[in-house]
Amino acid sequence: DIVMTQSPLSLPVTPGEPASISCRSSQSLLFGTGVHYIDWYLQKPGQSPQLLIYTASNRASGVPDRFSGSGSGTDFTLKISRVEAEDVGVYYCMQTIQPPWTFGQGTKVDIK
Amino acid sequence: EVQLLESGGGLVQPGGSLRLSCAASGFTFGNYALSWVRQTPGKGLEWVSVVYSGDLGPFYADSVKGRFTISRDNSKNTLYLQMTSLRVDDTAVYYCARDRWPNGNYGASFDLWGQGTLVTVSS
Repeated sequence: DIVMTQSPLSLPVTPGEPASISCRSSQSLLFGTGVHYIDWYLQKPGQSPQLLIYTASNRASGVPDRFSGSGSGTDFTLKISRVEAEDVGVYYCMQTIQPPWTFGQGTKVDIK
Repeated sequence: EVQLLESGGGLVQPGGSLRLSCAASGFTFGNYALSWVRQTPGKGLEWVSVVYSGDLGPFYADSVKGRFTISRDNSKNTLYLQMTSLRVDDTAVYYCARDRWPNGNYGASFDLWGQGTLVTVSS
């Protein structure tokens, strides 16, 4: 199974400052078509998860442009250019290149 | 309104069975892959199973393979998860989730989630 390792697991942030979360996979997530099968989700307190970024770098519908995804192969990053109070919650990366699909452990983001 | 609504959760004894349902509305159900994802109380997310709109799969997590069965009834716009031989560590909130790609045949990105249904396995 592909193991997804996130870091850090806890990230206190200051509103207006940037933030970054890393996700490393135990195998390459690059498919033959050139697509990386990794997505990023945010689960706000008391809510279901929501899709932020799909296939490594594409923002989902309605997601603010302060969120961006990058990376290739086995190393990926989610960046928030300027954190807002509404961005608190747990962020997860997930791979769907190979069943069983697997999530990272989650990164809890809260305000300092 | 585009939505997914899970039901069927509850308290069950170890070794018992339960069937979850996920009713969809607001989109062409038969065109999309659908998954079950679970979350142990206070813990992270675990993908459970996926069923595609075409012939691919279904696929299961190792932890549920042979015990859980995913299925869909496109005439009723409903996704199911039949769970048997339930264990204490199956206790979780179970979400259904939709792939954002119509007629997708590889991978998935979940752009629509239900609110979840709690399954508690305990004696």
